Amino acid sequence: EAGVTQFPSHSVIEKGQTVTLRCDPISGHDNLYWYRRVMGKEIKFLLHFVKESKQDESGMPNNRFLAERTGGTYSTLKVQPAELEDSGVYFCASSQGLAGSPGRVEQFFGPGTRLTVL
Amino acid sequence: GQNIDQPTEMTATEGAIVQINCTYQTSGFNGLFWYQQHAGEAPTFLSYNVLDGLEEKGRFSSFLSRSKGYSYLLLKELQMKDSASYLCAVRFPSGGSYIPTFGRGTSLIVHP
Repeated sequence: EAGVTQFPSHSVIEKGQTVTLRCDPISGHDNLYWYRRVMGKEIKFLLHFVKESKQDESGMPNNRFLAERTGGTYSTLKVQPAELEDSGVYFCASSQGLAGSPGRVEQFFGPGTRLTVL
Repeated sequence: GQNIDQPTEMTATEGAIVQINCTYQTSGFNGLFWYQQHAGEAPTFLSYNVLDGLEEKGRFSSFLSRSKGYSYLLLKELQMKDSASYLCAVRFPSGGSYIPTFGRGTSLIVHP
């Protein structure tokens, strides 16, 4: 079974440019999450999709970030325009299980996209 | 916010035992995960604790005390390949679901 995949693995852009990151979750996983890790800091939650709906986007830093999950399959995260502080590793994760379930809901992570904004 | 604290770095010898601690604020707690992350790779699931006590899985065990807001990951018979970052993540309610809050990770270095 294929795991969570992310594209690209690395992206180097200049301040003010636009970048779109893609995540393909494990097939059949309704829950999809985006996280970001800035160097030296912890992994931070950005948002959570259940199928195509945004369940929780409380972690999105500002309106320069736009996430979509059309059709409830893959997801994209667009940063426009990119700023220096957006540099970091962007992880995607997916899980089975119902949103709001109090039980164990294991998240499977992708390898991340390393974004560098110059 | 919910602070998750774990040591930044630990070193240990091959074949030894190491314990990595994690403390968190208890309000709203709904489960604790441990992940292993090798450099440049995805975090991979190691364990999940929601009730007090010890969960053992091969060379790895994880302990939880909900009243103390404390967990540890115990690694036995250390191998060189265990050198990695170990992430403690605690689930708290958020937006109608349960989202893990991560610690900064503990970088474990295993030497011969």
